[in-house]
Amino acid sequence: KAGVTQTPRYLIKTRGQQVTLSCSPISGHRSVSWYQQTPGQGLQFLFEYFSETQRNKGNFPGRFSGRQFSNSRSEMNVSTLELGDSALYLCASSLRPSTDTQYFGPGTRLTVL
Amino acid sequence: AQTVTQSQPEMSVQEAETVTLSCTYDTSENNYYLFWYKQPPSRQMILVIRQEAYKQQNATENRFSVNFQKAAKSFSLKISDSQLGDTAMYFCAFIADQGAQKLVFGQGTRLTINP
Repeated sequence: KAGVTQTPRYLIKTRGQQVTLSCSPISGHRSVSWYQQTPGQGLQFLFEYFSETQRNKGNFPGRFSGRQFSNSRSEMNVSTLELGDSALYLCASSLRPSTDTQYFGPGTRLTVL
Repeated sequence: AQTVTQSQPEMSVQEAETVTLSCTYDTSENNYYLFWYKQPPSRQMILVIRQEAYKQQNATENRFSVNFQKAAKSFSLKISDSQLGDTAMYFCAFIADQGAQKLVFGQGTRLTINP
């Protein structure tokens, strides 16, 4: 069974631009969560989706948004990029929300110049 | 709010040695789950081991085992017969059964296995 895939793997953007990251969960998994990983702040939860609905959202500004499609694929969008948004963005999928084990994708490395 | 603390930023051992990584957490929840994830250099995060808080028996996966002390809110990972491929960042993580169901991670321990 294929793992979680994320595209693109690397992105370079400039301040003020917007970016969309994509995540395809493991087949059969319906819950998708997003995390931001930086050297300073570590791993921080962004949001979680299940059945096309956002169930939880982390403490991030409204510039960070996401959605989930009927096939469970998810996208996250960051508008008006700032230098501090440079990070590894990780997507994780699980069968269901709550306490099911989350399996991570390889991440998208975003660099904001 | 739940917090997870890993007090060892870096550790280094020789191949074949046993190493223990520490993790403590703080929560008022009674039902929760704990995880250790491994993130090798430039590679994706993979699950090492999972522990349900309601289970008294410590989880074991081949060379990896945990020492779960619920009263002390401690969840350490022991790696036996360490191998070069165990070199990675190790993250301890917590998720509650109720409330905001999101993984809360520690800051990580960078483990290096030397030949």
